[in-house]
Amino acid sequence: EILLTQSPATLSVSPGERATLSCRASQSVDSKLAWYQQKPGQAPRLLIYDASTRATGVPARFSGSGSGTEFTLTVSSLQSEDFAVYYCQQYRNWPPFTFGPGTKVDIK
Amino acid sequence: QITLKESGPTLVKPTQTLTLTCTFSGFSLTTSGVGVAWIRQPPGKALEWLALVYWNNDRRYSPSLQTRLTITKDTSRNQVVLTMTNLDPADTATYYCVYRPPLSVAGPGIEYFQDWGQGTLVTVSS
Repeated sequence: EILLTQSPATLSVSPGERATLSCRASQSVDSKLAWYQQKPGQAPRLLIYDASTRATGVPARFSGSGSGTEFTLTVSSLQSEDFAVYYCQQYRNWPPFTFGPGTKVDIK
Repeated sequence: QITLKESGPTLVKPTQTLTLTCTFSGFSLTTSGVGVAWIRQPPGKALEWLALVYWNNDRRYSPSLQTRLTITKDTSRNQVVLTMTNLDPADTATYYCVYRPPLSVAGPGIEYFQDWGQGTLVTVSS
């Protein structure tokens, strides 16, 4: 089973600032990684798949990069609606699909 | 517009069997590549994938839970049912039904979850 770790666990950012979130895999997942955003009381929302492809309707301020074992989700200028928990998910080797523990982005 | 909605009991006793139904619209489970999965999330914790059924009835399960899980589809009713046996308080979670898009959108091996239901909280307690 591929383990995903995310860092930091919590990221405090001021609105308008850049946020950089990390996801690391225990073995290579090539580019088979997705990112999801989850706001309190809501279901997760797909942001990025194939490590760097934005899902339909996702603003351009969200970008993903990386391959192999190291991945990054960047939010170029945080808006109020971006404060949430972000999860990465790998689909290189499954079952099972695995998710990271999440990074919470909160207001500084 | 794709929608998915989970339904089932909110409270289950330990050792009982849980049956959850996902009723969906906006897509067909007969379209090549389409899949419906179940993912759960214990309160305050991370996401855990449970099971996935494809348009061709190929079914996959989490290895750690596969002896307790059964996923089935009813294409005529646009429903997917997840059954989990021998419930434990550790199974308390919000259970989500999610959509895997067709091959025309996500090719083979591109297994992300595009659309999610609102989730249903299941509590396991005596």
